[in-house]
Amino acid sequence: DTEVTQTPKHLVMGMTNKKSLKCEQHMGHRAMYWYKQKAKKPPELMFVYSYEKLSINESVPSRFSPECPNSSLLNLHLHALQPEDSALYLCASSPRETGGYEQYFGPGTRLTVT
Amino acid sequence: GENVEQHPSTLSVQEGDSAVIKCTYSDSASNYFPWYKQELGKRPQLIIDIRSNVGEKKDQRIAVTLNKTAKHFSLHITETQPEDSAVYFCAASIHPRGGGADGLTFGKGTHLIIQP
Repeated sequence: DTEVTQTPKHLVMGMTNKKSLKCEQHMGHRAMYWYKQKAKKPPELMFVYSYEKLSINESVPSRFSPECPNSSLLNLHLHALQPEDSALYLCASSPRETGGYEQYFGPGTRLTVT
Repeated sequence: GENVEQHPSTLSVQEGDSAVIKCTYSDSASNYFPWYKQELGKRPQLIIDIRSNVGEKKDQRIAVTLNKTAKHFSLHITETQPEDSAVYFCAASIHPRGGGADGLTFGKGTHLIIQP
């Protein structure tokens, strides 16, 4: 398997809801990432995990809570979001910890907060 | 932190002509510079990358050049084709203070339009 997969593709949630985004890769990569992309803007780094440990948190509000249960899986737990959090959430993985630099992106989850 | 500037924001070229997109970065510790192509509604796709120990890299019609001293890097596309139309992002690596994998800071993007 040479792809990063993300579920769900689309998510609509209210400001009081709790939901989770899921990302999976089976390429043996030990670095995984969450990025946020608003329309007509570049991806913005949110979190980096290396060997299932959080190594970068780019000052993301606590209503976003990442989790890396194992080397293939990355979750993003969402709670009490605001309408301005509506965006495309991209997951990526990289062989960085084992020598490669490239980051490969999943298709994203398009999130709408109402 | 790292800051990446990208120009131009929109570039329109005739099919068959060349296109050049330029980026500058601020953090001299950055050592990896990828370029991504993103078509409407799709994920960013890595098209070429360069590490700081290399000055130029080429892959068929696409080339990237890096000037570490000036902190500039550029994407060159030759013999442009309609399928090259997309948004192109440059990026530079960010190093975490406590170790671990690098993240990426992206430029604002260039909308490349290939006129038939």
